[in-house]
Amino acid sequence: AQSVTQPDIHITVSEGASLELRCNYSYGATPYLFWYVQSPGQGLQLLLKYFSGDTLVQGIKGFEAEFKRSQSSFNLRKPSVHWSDAAEYFCAVGERSQGNLIFGKGTKLSVKP
Amino acid sequence: NAGVTQTPKFQVLKTGQSMTLQCAQDMNHNSMYWYRQDPGMGLRLIYYSASEGTTDKGEVPNGYNVSRLNKREFSLRLESAAPSQTSVYFCASSSQTGYEQYFGPGTRLTVT
Repeated sequence: AQSVTQPDIHITVSEGASLELRCNYSYGATPYLFWYVQSPGQGLQLLLKYFSGDTLVQGIKGFEAEFKRSQSSFNLRKPSVHWSDAAEYFCAVGERSQGNLIFGKGTKLSVKP
Repeated sequence: NAGVTQTPKFQVLKTGQSMTLQCAQDMNHNSMYWYRQDPGMGLRLIYYSASEGTTDKGEVPNGYNVSRLNKREFSLRLESAAPSQTSVYFCASSSQTGYEQYFGPGTRLTVT
């Protein structure tokens, strides 16, 4: 069955430190991959997406993600975290014209001053 | 462009009451979705509409109905609200299924 796993429920990092959020998927075909961010009381905002081509994709707010087919992973990274990055982050996978996206359960990011 | 809009933002219902959540998008998207979000459960798909004139059940459709009124609008109806339907409801749209989805701000519903 298709699935998305975000192994870390909650991560705390210090402001200015680097960040990596993990996402692993189980999918038959080469999927489309997405990362979303949700601030408290808000809807989900698309950070970045991967369809094909260069496996390192750049997104908004200084985030990037790398698709590693051999590891079935699409980890999100940021070199230096800001306090405003505190939010919940969701990984999702999909396939063109094949129904809905499958979302992970999310990783909550806290940022220490 | 407003993107995806949802009304109302907040609603309190008594058990057994009915209500309709409204969603509209101005991005000319073909596909629209309704999710509910509960603590620790992530996003769960209730219903979706791949294109105007079609609707399909998602993971948790029981107790809900939907109407794709036209290409822009997709409504979610609770015929007889139950406390288990207390949740935050999100509408989303995409150019087609499988592509990135754009989300509305959500409706926080409490059923007492």
